[in-house]
Amino acid sequence: DAGITQSPRHKVTETGTPVTLRCHQTENHRYMYWYRQDPGHGLRLIHYSYGVKDTDKGEVSDGYSVSRSKTEDFLLTLESATSSQTSVYFCAIREGNTEAFFGQGTRLTVV
Amino acid sequence: QQQVKQSPQSLIVQKGGISIINCAYENTAFDYFPWYQQFPGKGPALLIAIRPDVSEKKEGRFTISFNKSAKQFSLHIMDSQPGDSATYFCAASGGSARQLTFGSGTQLTVLP
Repeated sequence: DAGITQSPRHKVTETGTPVTLRCHQTENHRYMYWYRQDPGHGLRLIHYSYGVKDTDKGEVSDGYSVSRSKTEDFLLTLESATSSQTSVYFCAIREGNTEAFFGQGTRLTVV
Repeated sequence: QQQVKQSPQSLIVQKGGISIINCAYENTAFDYFPWYQQFPGKGPALLIAIRPDVSEKKEGRFTISFNKSAKQFSLHIMDSQPGDSATYFCAASGGSARQLTFGSGTQLTVLP
């Protein structure tokens, strides 16, 4: 899995609670991305990072925030989870002009 | 706004047949077009990719055909096998951050 670890792999949480998903890489790659996967939508970009403390919004960033205080970790936070954020979340990493490698995903259910 | 449109949504092919999945894009700034394969419970994995300066790329049983003027590209899987049963995503990227824009996916089933 190209040195990417997502945690947790599965989580059930209640509406209105904060949730943080973690992506950890051992490849020292510059670029890290968070996507969500939903039926009929493919994967959609939430946020991405191009270096420590350097992040930017993607297509579906509303309700999400991110932080990258170290090269190896990229955190995705749902400040107040809603049922519409029930999804499978994937982290990806890339260095330079090479292919992007994806993690195994985190299945999040908001009840 | 869906910048990459993929069809069909699902595809059933007999073993040994040809599987064809089509994608169309809108943003002319895209300069890299990968196809990803995803098995249940796994993350997407790069299958094959093409850049717009070539019209075709072949790797084993997998071929990408690219039509820059029509802004379309397709994946052909020759001699399809049951092990090819998976979800396939086309994607496109461009710009400095090279974030991927994905199609909606095609669920391929290859019957034995």
